[in-house]
Amino acid sequence: DAGVTQSPTHLIKTRGQQVTLRCSPISGHKSVSWYQQVLGQGPQFIFQYYEKEERGRGNFPDRFSARQFPNYSSELNVNALLLGDSALYLCASSLDGGRVGEAFFGQGTRLTVV
Amino acid sequence: RKEVEQDPGPFNVPEGATVAFNCTYSNSASQSFFWYRQDCRKEPKLLMSVYSSGNEDGRFTAQLNRASQYISLLIRDSKLSDSATYLCVVNGGGGSNYKLTFGKGTLLTVNP
Repeated sequence: DAGVTQSPTHLIKTRGQQVTLRCSPISGHKSVSWYQQVLGQGPQFIFQYYEKEERGRGNFPDRFSARQFPNYSSELNVNALLLGDSALYLCASSLDGGRVGEAFFGQGTRLTVV
Repeated sequence: RKEVEQDPGPFNVPEGATVAFNCTYSNSASQSFFWYRQDCRKEPKLLMSVYSSGNEDGRFTAQLNRASQYISLLIRDSKLSDSATYLCVVNGGGGSNYKLTFGKGTLLTVNP
């Protein structure tokens, strides 16, 4: 069975540009969460989606947005990129919205903003 | 105060050693607790859940003290393959069941 898949794996963008990151959860999982991990820190929560609805949002600016599709895949969009947005972006899949601790992470998208 | 605080590390231990990681959390209403493992430049992976009664999985033992808001992980008979960053993770409390809150992580290197 396929695990959580994210694309692309690496990305280089310039300041001010926009980026879209994609995630496909494990088959049967209805919850997708997004996390940002900067070097030397633990992952920080950005969004959770369950059954195509936003269930929670972390302390990130409005430049960050996301959505979940009917097939439960998800996209994370970041507008007006800043140098500080350079990080590993992780997607986590869980069976339902109430068991987010038993989460399976994708390999991440490493975003570099120059 | 940070929501989840861990031993800063890094820890360097010889093979066969016993090593303990400590973690505290600030939200007394937190409901679920976990240890995740993250290898260099890889994604985090769930190592084990942590229960109030304490739980063991092979060489790994996790403990939770809700009164002290303290979580621990003990690794016995360390192997080279245990080298990784160990992340203390808390879920829930105050209407935030939807998110995991991670500590900064503690890097463990097991030496031959």
